[in-house]
Amino acid sequence: KAGVTQTPRYLIKTRGQQVTLSCSPISGHRSVSWYQQTPGQGLQFLFEYFSETQRNKGNFPGRFSGRQFSNSRSEMNVSTLELGDSALYLCASSLGGIRPYEQYFGPGTRLTVT
Amino acid sequence: AQKVTQAQTEISVVEKEDVTLDCVYETRDTTYYLFWYKQPPSGELVFLIRRNSFDEQNEISGRYSWNFQKSTSSFNFTITASQVVDSAVYFCALSEGGGATNKLIFGTGTLLAVQP
Repeated sequence: KAGVTQTPRYLIKTRGQQVTLSCSPISGHRSVSWYQQTPGQGLQFLFEYFSETQRNKGNFPGRFSGRQFSNSRSEMNVSTLELGDSALYLCASSLGGIRPYEQYFGPGTRLTVT
Repeated sequence: AQKVTQAQTEISVVEKEDVTLDCVYETRDTTYYLFWYKQPPSGELVFLIRRNSFDEQNEISGRYSWNFQKSTSSFNFTITASQVVDSAVYFCALSEGGGATNKLIFGTGTLLAVQP
Protein backbone atom coordinates (compact mmCIF):
# COMPACT_ATOMS: atom_id res chain seq x y z
CA LYS A 1 0.00 0.00 0.00
CA ALA A 2 1.32 3.44 -0.82
CA GLY A 3 2.00 5.67 2.17
CA VAL A 4 0.86 9.19 2.87
CA THR A 5 2.08 11.64 0.27
CA GLN A 6 2.46 15.35 0.67
CA THR A 7 3.12 17.96 -1.97
CA PRO A 8 5.10 20.02 -2.35
CA ARG A 9 7.97 18.84 -0.17
CA TYR A 10 9.61 22.24 0.03
CA LEU A 11 8.19 25.70 -0.37
CA ILE A 12 9.56 29.21 -0.03
CA LYS A 13 7.08 32.05 0.26
CA THR A 14 7.15 35.72 1.10
CA ARG A 15 5.39 37.35 4.02
CA GLY A 16 1.82 38.24 3.14
CA GLN A 17 1.41 35.57 0.51
CA GLN A 18 -0.81 32.55 0.85
CA VAL A 19 0.03 28.89 0.43
CA THR A 20 -1.82 25.63 -0.16
CA LEU A 21 -0.41 22.28 0.92
CA SER A 22 -1.77 18.96 -0.25
CA CYS A 23 -2.02 15.56 1.40
CA SER A 24 -3.08 12.22 -0.05
CA PRO A 25 -3.87 9.67 2.65
CA ILE A 26 -3.35 5.94 2.57
CA SER A 27 -6.01 4.23 0.50
CA GLY A 28 -9.04 3.43 2.63
CA HIS A 29 -8.21 5.96 5.33
CA ARG A 30 -10.93 8.51 5.95
CA SER A 31 -9.32 10.70 8.57
CA VAL A 32 -6.64 13.26 7.81
CA SER A 33 -4.97 15.36 10.47
CA TRP A 34 -2.50 18.21 10.09
CA TYR A 35 0.28 19.15 12.46
CA GLN A 36 2.80 21.96 12.57
CA GLN A 37 6.29 21.23 13.81
CA THR A 38 8.66 24.00 14.86
CA PRO A 39 11.79 23.95 17.04
CA GLY A 40 10.17 26.28 19.55
CA GLN A 41 6.64 24.89 19.83
CA GLY A 42 7.22 21.27 18.88
CA LEU A 43 4.44 19.29 17.27
CA GLN A 44 1.09 21.02 17.42
CA PHE A 45 -2.27 19.83 16.15
CA LEU A 46 -3.87 22.04 13.53
CA PHE A 47 -7.07 20.24 12.57
CA GLU A 48 -8.59 16.92 11.62
CA TYR A 49 -10.97 16.05 8.83
CA PHE A 50 -13.11 12.95 8.65
CA SER A 51 -15.48 12.24 5.78
CA GLU A 52 -15.10 15.80 4.47
CA THR A 53 -16.03 17.38 7.83
CA GLN A 54 -13.72 19.13 10.23
CA ARG A 55 -13.90 17.04 13.37
CA ASN A 56 -11.47 18.90 15.58
CA LYS A 57 -9.42 22.06 15.50
CA GLY A 58 -6.33 23.20 17.36
CA ASN A 59 -5.49 26.65 18.68
CA PHE A 60 -4.38 28.34 15.52
CA PRO A 61 -5.61 31.60 14.02
CA GLY A 62 -8.22 31.66 11.30
CA ARG A 63 -5.50 32.18 8.71
CA PHE A 64 -5.06 28.43 8.87
CA SER A 65 -7.81 26.52 7.14
CA GLY A 66 -8.30 23.18 5.53
CA ARG A 67 -10.66 20.99 3.65
CA GLN A 68 -11.12 17.40 2.66
CA PHE A 69 -12.42 16.07 -0.61
CA SER A 70 -14.67 13.10 -1.27
CA ASN A 71 -11.62 10.94 -2.08
CA SER A 72 -10.22 11.79 1.39
CA ARG A 73 -7.43 13.94 -0.03
CA SER A 74 -6.93 17.04 2.03
CA GLU A 75 -5.54 20.49 1.57
CA MET A 76 -4.55 23.09 4.09
CA ASN A 77 -4.26 26.76 3.34
CA VAL A 78 -2.41 29.49 5.16
CA SER A 79 -3.26 33.03 4.19
CA THR A 80 -1.29 36.20 4.89
CA LEU A 81 1.85 34.32 5.76
CA GLU A 82 3.97 35.44 8.68
CA LEU A 83 7.61 34.64 9.42
CA GLY A 84 6.46 32.50 12.33
CA ASP A 85 4.59 30.20 9.97
CA SER A 86 7.91 28.75 8.83
CA ALA A 87 7.68 25.13 9.88
CA LEU A 88 7.41 21.52 8.85
CA TYR A 89 3.77 20.73 8.14
CA LEU A 90 2.92 17.10 8.64
CA CYS A 91 -0.16 15.31 7.46
CA ALA A 92 -1.33 12.07 9.05
CA SER A 93 -3.96 9.63 7.93
CA SER A 94 -5.85 6.98 9.81
CA LEU A 95 -8.89 4.82 9.42
CA GLY A 96 -10.94 7.25 11.47
CA GLY A 97 -14.03 6.17 13.31
CA ILE A 98 -14.84 6.56 16.97
CA ARG A 99 -11.51 5.59 18.48
CA PRO A 100 -8.05 7.07 17.97
CA TYR A 101 -6.45 4.68 15.54
CA GLU A 102 -2.76 4.82 14.82
CA GLN A 103 -1.91 7.63 12.48
CA TYR A 104 0.53 7.31 9.64
CA PHE A 105 2.47 10.42 8.78
CA GLY A 106 3.66 11.76 5.48
CA PRO A 107 7.16 13.16 4.87
CA GLY A 108 5.97 16.71 5.46
CA THR A 109 6.13 19.99 3.62
CA ARG A 110 8.92 22.29 4.72
CA LEU A 111 7.60 25.86 4.45
CA THR A 112 9.99 28.76 4.69
CA VAL A 113 8.55 32.27 4.89
CA THR A 114 10.93 35.13 4.10
CA ALA B 1 -5.84 19.63 30.68
CA GLN B 2 -3.96 17.05 28.69
CA LYS B 3 -0.21 17.14 28.80
CA VAL B 4 2.70 14.90 27.90
CA THR B 5 6.11 15.40 29.48
CA GLN B 6 9.33 13.94 28.17
CA ALA B 7 11.87 15.25 30.62
CA GLN B 8 14.88 13.84 28.80
CA THR B 9 15.80 16.24 26.04
CA GLU B 10 18.81 14.33 24.77
CA ILE B 11 20.31 10.94 25.54
CA SER B 12 23.58 9.63 24.20
CA VAL B 13 24.52 5.98 24.48
CA VAL B 14 27.06 3.66 22.96
CA GLU B 15 25.88 0.92 20.68
CA LYS B 16 24.58 -2.21 22.47
CA GLU B 17 23.64 -0.30 25.60
CA ASP B 18 20.04 -0.46 26.80
CA VAL B 19 18.22 2.86 27.02
CA THR B 20 14.88 3.91 28.50
CA LEU B 21 12.95 6.92 27.31
CA ASP B 22 10.56 8.36 29.87
CA CYS B 23 7.04 9.63 29.24
CA VAL B 24 4.67 11.05 31.84
CA TYR B 25 1.17 12.12 30.89
CA GLU B 26 -1.71 14.05 32.42
CA THR B 27 -5.35 13.63 31.56
CA ARG B 28 -8.69 13.75 33.34
CA ASP B 29 -10.20 11.18 31.01
CA THR B 30 -10.58 7.58 32.07
CA THR B 31 -10.41 6.45 28.46
CA TYR B 32 -7.35 7.55 26.56
CA TYR B 33 -4.70 6.27 24.21
CA LEU B 34 -0.95 6.57 24.33
CA PHE B 35 1.43 6.42 21.41
CA TRP B 36 5.11 6.39 20.63
CA TYR B 37 6.50 7.73 17.37
CA LYS B 38 10.04 7.81 15.99
CA GLN B 39 11.30 10.67 13.86
CA PRO B 40 14.56 9.85 12.09
CA PRO B 41 16.62 12.59 10.44
CA SER B 42 14.55 12.23 7.28
CA GLY B 43 11.69 13.87 9.19
CA GLU B 44 8.85 11.40 8.71
CA LEU B 45 7.16 10.30 11.92
CA VAL B 46 7.04 6.52 12.22
CA PHE B 47 4.34 4.87 14.32
CA LEU B 48 5.71 2.47 16.94
CA ILE B 49 2.89 1.57 19.31
CA ARG B 50 -0.62 2.44 20.49
CA ARG B 51 -1.88 1.51 23.94
CA ASN B 52 -5.30 2.19 25.45
CA SER B 53 -5.85 3.09 29.08
CA PHE B 54 -7.53 -0.22 29.91
CA ASP B 55 -4.62 -2.34 28.78
CA GLU B 56 -1.74 -2.16 31.24
CA GLN B 57 0.07 -5.15 29.90
CA ASN B 58 3.62 -4.43 28.95
CA GLU B 59 4.53 -5.05 25.34
CA ILE B 60 7.66 -6.29 23.68
CA SER B 61 8.45 -6.08 20.00
CA GLY B 62 11.91 -7.28 19.15
CA ARG B 63 14.39 -4.95 20.86
CA TYR B 64 11.61 -2.56 21.83
CA SER B 65 9.52 -2.79 24.98
CA TRP B 66 7.00 -0.52 26.63
CA ASN B 67 6.06 -0.22 30.29
CA PHE B 68 2.65 1.32 30.99
CA GLN B 69 1.88 2.22 34.61
CA LYS B 70 -1.37 4.02 35.28
CA SER B 71 -0.47 4.49 38.94
CA THR B 72 2.38 6.79 37.98
CA SER B 73 0.87 8.01 34.67
CA SER B 74 3.90 6.82 32.81
CA PHE B 75 4.43 5.04 29.52
CA ASN B 76 8.15 4.39 29.20
CA PHE B 77 9.96 2.98 26.19
CA THR B 78 13.05 0.79 26.39
CA ILE B 79 15.39 -0.10 23.56
CA THR B 80 17.53 -3.13 24.31
CA ALA B 81 20.96 -3.46 22.73
CA SER B 82 20.69 -0.14 20.94
CA GLN B 83 21.96 0.28 17.40
CA VAL B 84 23.11 3.29 15.41
CA VAL B 85 19.92 3.05 13.34
CA ASP B 86 17.93 3.78 16.50
CA SER B 87 19.28 7.34 16.47
CA ALA B 88 16.24 9.59 16.12
CA VAL B 89 13.87 11.80 18.03
CA TYR B 90 11.24 9.82 19.88
CA PHE B 91 7.86 11.31 20.71
CA CYS B 92 5.30 10.15 23.20
CA ALA B 93 1.72 11.27 22.49
CA LEU B 94 -1.69 11.18 24.12
CA SER B 95 -5.16 11.08 22.63
CA GLU B 96 -8.48 11.32 24.40
CA GLY B 97 -10.62 8.29 23.81
CA GLY B 98 -13.93 9.69 24.88
CA GLY B 99 -14.66 11.55 21.68
CA ALA B 100 -14.33 10.75 18.04
CA THR B 101 -11.04 12.44 17.36
CA ASN B 102 -7.55 11.55 16.30
CA LYS B 103 -6.03 14.64 17.88
CA LEU B 104 -2.65 13.85 19.38
CA ILE B 105 -0.95 15.82 22.12
CA PHE B 106 2.77 15.31 21.71
CA GLY B 107 5.56 15.58 24.20
CA THR B 108 8.61 17.63 23.32
CA GLY B 109 10.53 14.58 22.22
CA THR B 110 13.77 12.91 23.26
CA LEU B 111 16.73 12.97 20.91
CA LEU B 112 18.52 9.64 21.11
CA ALA B 113 22.04 9.46 19.75
CA VAL B 114 23.57 6.02 19.52
CA GLN B 115 27.32 6.16 19.03
CA PRO B 116 29.13 3.30 17.28
